[in-house]
Amino acid sequence: NAGVTQTPKFQVLKTGQSMTLQCAQDMNHNSMYWYRQDPGMGLRLIYYSASEGTTDKGEVPNGYNVSRLNKREFSLRLESAAPSQTSVYFCASSPGVNQPQHFGDGTRLSIL
Amino acid sequence: GENVEQHPSTLSVQEGDSAVIKCTYSDSASNYFPWYKQELGKGPQLIIDIRSNVGEKKDQRIAVTLNKTAKHFSLHITETQPEDSAVYFCAAPSSRSSGSARQLTFGSGTQLTVLP
Repeated sequence: NAGVTQTPKFQVLKTGQSMTLQCAQDMNHNSMYWYRQDPGMGLRLIYYSASEGTTDKGEVPNGYNVSRLNKREFSLRLESAAPSQTSVYFCASSPGVNQPQHFGDGTRLSIL
Repeated sequence: GENVEQHPSTLSVQEGDSAVIKCTYSDSASNYFPWYKQELGKGPQLIIDIRSNVGEKKDQRIAVTLNKTAKHFSLHITETQPEDSAVYFCAAPSSRSSGSARQLTFGSGTQLTVLP
């Protein structure tokens, strides 16, 4: 039982490049989330999907897009990467809203 | 806007002592309060949570207390051990996201160091 799996674990991009971060969960959870974590700022919600077929903006959605491909998979896309998007990105899933969230181990993204 | 404040940002205790981390929230409609532990290079892991219909919950050496009137909740770790050293985050639902359902807003974290 893998839980929440994120790929890749590390990535370096140049400014302006595009990239998709992948996330998959095997717990049959309805809700999935993308967060970014920056030093001293905790976790900030980028986008979430309360259930399959729906997506909503979080606190910091600018510069990102998401796709809920099916119940298992939720991807995050950077269309034109900027240095301000250098961060650690975490995907999480939960049975529903305000239920315990299970996190992946993160993608460490550097944009030069 | 709704906010979750967490204190202290760093905490050092001697092994065997207790540690207390406190969070305050501003959204009076919040009804679910989880605590997460994050070890270096890993994702956050839920260690305990509490809902607004109870004032305290315990799980072995870990407890959470909730004061809805004062809008604060605290994590208590007793008999601390070196493996408790990690970053701890609190969270509470808020309406900072655009969707209809309140999503979790996280505190800024507390680096706990347990000295042997």
